[in-house]
Amino acid sequence: GAGVSQSPRYKVAKRGQDVALRCDPISGHVSLFWYQQALGQGPEFLTYFQNEAQLDKSGLPSDRFFAERPEGSVSTLKIQRTQQEDSAVYLCASRDQETQYFGPGTRLLVL
Amino acid sequence: SQELEQSPQSLIVQEGKNLTINCTSSKTLYGLYWYKQKYGEGLIFLMMLQKGGEEKSHEKITAKLDEKKQQSSLHITASQPSHAGIYLCGASRADRGSTLGRLYFGRGTQLTVWP
Repeated sequence: GAGVSQSPRYKVAKRGQDVALRCDPISGHVSLFWYQQALGQGPEFLTYFQNEAQLDKSGLPSDRFFAERPEGSVSTLKIQRTQQEDSAVYLCASRDQETQYFGPGTRLLVL
Repeated sequence: SQELEQSPQSLIVQEGKNLTINCTSSKTLYGLYWYKQKYGEGLIFLMMLQKGGEEKSHEKITAKLDEKKQQSSLHITASQPSHAGIYLCGASRADRGSTLGRLYFGRGTQLTVWP
């Protein structure tokens, strides 16, 4: 079956612009995670959804970051007024019983 | 912050050689995951270990979790160029208050295999 998909794959934004990153999880997966991966680092947790409920957003670095999953399937991570330090790969993962399956990521570059 | 320590940071081996990557946590883990990542791509799931002393193998890759569930190793036998990439260990924690399924990752080990 289809895996986790993300779009866009690449995004270049000017500092101050808003961006929206989309994640399509594996069908039927209740749990959805967002991670941020800086160059040369491992992924860092941002936020977690169980169905449409955002149960943990403790990893969001500032109030410029906002995530939603209104119907419990597709999720969107929005970053307002982007800064250069937001440049990273944003990874989405959905989980079955035990395993998290990751999408290809969105590579965001803020100039 | 990186809660898992991986070593080495990078590894260059000749094709056909064996190699081991280590992952250490200061805390007892609930589950330990190994992923592989190639540049510009997402994480590919390799194996998950949950029981102390557990060992799993897939093709030429073997992963082990120690009895205390604080250390894991990934061993590749007779490495091939297709094994090249970044290997990441990720762990879920057993302590209360930790989001179920949330993974903490190491920095990764960059593996290069030359012919």
